[in-house]
Amino acid sequence: QKEVEQDPGPLSVPEGAIVSLNCTYSNSAFQYFMWYRQYSRKGPELLMYTYSSGNKEDGRFTAQVDKSSKYISLFIRDSQPSDSATYLCASPSSNTGKLIFGQGTTLQVKP
Amino acid sequence: EPEVTQTPSHQVTQMGQEVILRCVPISNHLYFYWYRQILGQKVEFLVSFYNNEISEKSEIFDDQFSVERPDGSNFTLKIRSTKLEDSAMYFCASRGTSGGYNEQFFGPGTRLTVL
Repeated sequence: QKEVEQDPGPLSVPEGAIVSLNCTYSNSAFQYFMWYRQYSRKGPELLMYTYSSGNKEDGRFTAQVDKSSKYISLFIRDSQPSDSATYLCASPSSNTGKLIFGQGTTLQVKP
Repeated sequence: EPEVTQTPSHQVTQMGQEVILRCVPISNHLYFYWYRQILGQKVEFLVSFYNNEISEKSEIFDDQFSVERPDGSNFTLKIRSTKLEDSAMYFCASRGTSGGYNEQFFGPGTRLTVL
């Protein structure tokens, strides 16, 4: 069973739409959950992270974790063409901090 | 703003050749990582490095791979005898040790093409 799963998309939305990106995970020991954004041919960049269950908001972005269902979500409000990128969910899985990534969802926001 | 840098940005090599990918982590960071991403696939962990030794490695990180921090600033990944399937983006990352969660900062990656 894959530790972190994510629908690769692609997902195409019009500018201004609300975007919902989702991941599931299998390891109950995961405590931190990250969302990274990756532009084409660039390294992943941390958008935000949450600890355990709950919501966290940062501007137009909201991260949500439901540990009971092992479900992670990222919502983007008022999406912009500059949000077009691949979004990766990840969790550190050991004391060394190694990150386990999902497949990544490619998002395109059309003007 | 401090950043992780990687060189070269693109490396083309012949199968069987040795390659060294170089990274300069953020200066006060103590944990270092290499990940790779084969085209169209997920980012995969290769190895973590702390206190001048490997702290964890994946199944991918076999005897053909090695890492080194030769001079206190650079962090290198060596592939001794490259295979076609080593073609991928290789990302270096580093993180600090302040209280709470410490973000891993990724470099821009080196695209390795093995012919």
